[in-house]
Amino acid sequence: AQSVTQLGSHVSVSEGALVLLRCNYSSSVPPYLFWYVQYPNQGLQLLLKYTTGATLVKGINGFEAEFKKSETSFHLTKPSAHMSDAAEYFCAVSEERSSYKLIFGSGTRLLVRP
Amino acid sequence: DGGITQSPKYLFRKEGQNVTLSCEQNLNHDAMYWYRQDPGQGLRLIYYSQIVNDFQKGDIAEGYSVSREKKESFPLTVTSAQKNPTAFYLCASRGTGGRTGELFFGEGSRLTVL
Repeated sequence: AQSVTQLGSHVSVSEGALVLLRCNYSSSVPPYLFWYVQYPNQGLQLLLKYTTGATLVKGINGFEAEFKKSETSFHLTKPSAHMSDAAEYFCAVSEERSSYKLIFGSGTRLLVRP
Repeated sequence: DGGITQSPKYLFRKEGQNVTLSCEQNLNHDAMYWYRQDPGQGLRLIYYSQIVNDFQKGDIAEGYSVSREKKESFPLTVTSAQKNPTAFYLCASRGTGGRTGELFFGEGSRLTVL
C-alpha cells in the first residue's frame, strides 16, 4: 500500500528565510504527488502537483517541489518565507490500485517568526 | 463560481443523536469524498463515491453512513454509533483526471459533541 511520511509536525522559520517541508512516499512507479495548504478552519487548497514530465514543479505563492525518484521524496520549498505562509501543509500521493483515492501525510505546521 | 459547499460550518450535537452534514458541488465531478481531520493525524478517508448510486468504505467508515442519489450531492450522516465524533469533516470532489487529478475541497464542517 502507498503511504506518505512528512518529517516534522512543526517547522519554524524566520520571515525571509528558506522554507523546506519534507515529504517521503512509498509507492510503485509511477506515483502522482500533491502538496496542499490549509489555513485555520478552512478546507485544503492545492499548491502544486507532479504527474509526469519535469521533476521540478512550480506552484502558487512562490512554492516549488522536486520529485526525486531515487530518494522517494517530494520536498516543498520556498526561497523566502512570508508571514502569510503560516499554515498547515499536507503531502499526498495517488493510490496505485484505485484511481480515485488520495493518501495524505499527517501534515506539517509552518510557523513564521517576524 | 464553481466549487464545493459544505453546511453547516459549525454543528453541536448531544450524545446519542445522529447528525447529517451536507456537501454539494457544481463542478460536474464524478468522484466525491468525505475525510475526517483530527489534530496531528492528517486526513483520514471515511467514504468515497466514484459514481451516482455507488460508494465505498474508506479507512474509518464505522459509525458513518452516506448516500449518492445525485451527482452533485454526497451527504454524510454521523450516527450515534460513532464513538468519538468530535472532529473537522472535509468533503472533496475529483474530476475525470483519474490518478493525476487533484481533489477540490469544501470549507469543512466542525462537529462538536456535547
